[in-house]
Amino acid sequence: GENVEQHPSTLSVQEGDSAVIKCTYSDSASNYFPWYKQELGKGPQLIIDIRSNVGEKKDQRIAVTLNKTAKHFSLHITETQPEDSAVYFCAALNSLFGNEKLTFGTGTRLTIIP
Amino acid sequence: NAGVTQTPKFRVLKTGQSMTLLCAQDMNHEYMYWYRQDPGMGLRLIHYSVGEGTTAKGEVPDGYNVSRLKKQNFLLGLESAAPSQTSVYFCASSYHPQNQPQHFGDGTRLSIL
Repeated sequence: GENVEQHPSTLSVQEGDSAVIKCTYSDSASNYFPWYKQELGKGPQLIIDIRSNVGEKKDQRIAVTLNKTAKHFSLHITETQPEDSAVYFCAALNSLFGNEKLTFGTGTRLTIIP
Repeated sequence: NAGVTQTPKFRVLKTGQSMTLLCAQDMNHEYMYWYRQDPGMGLRLIHYSVGEGTTAKGEVPDGYNVSRLKKQNFLLGLESAAPSQTSVYFCASSYHPQNQPQHFGDGTRLSIL
């Protein structure tokens, strides 16, 4: 089955600086890669996703890049703000053959230092 | 629009007791999922359902049962609770996961003494 590794497990960044979280996956057929943000006491919420036919996607201060050859994808947050402090999860899905299950990474706790 | 609602939000059980966690969604989603979240281990899939009347095992199904009698509800049961089942449980729902994101509830914090 799919295995997703996520690094780092914790990350502290000065407000206004950039943050980068990296994930690697094992199933070369995986074709959908979402990122979720989880705030304290809440469930995860999708913040951005990318499909395997795209190398990069951007939404305001958030971007995701995908390297299919190396089987890794990354989340980039620029001009970080205090409200970016949360736990971030990457995930991967191989949608072939009717697979309906996401495999999640172990999470990164991001702290923005004012 | 409530989205995904989980009941209860908190519960303390004694070892050997049973209970049912309820998940309700009002988005007419076909797919529903139960995850558990433990420190340092991310979200692990327990069971899932691809439609009313269907269920399937996920990554960590042992000790849990599920039922999807109505499209909007997905129940997670613990027949004989064990301390290893102390966790935060999340329910999620989606249209086909390839095309649509999963929407999560706010979780049930369960402690087994």
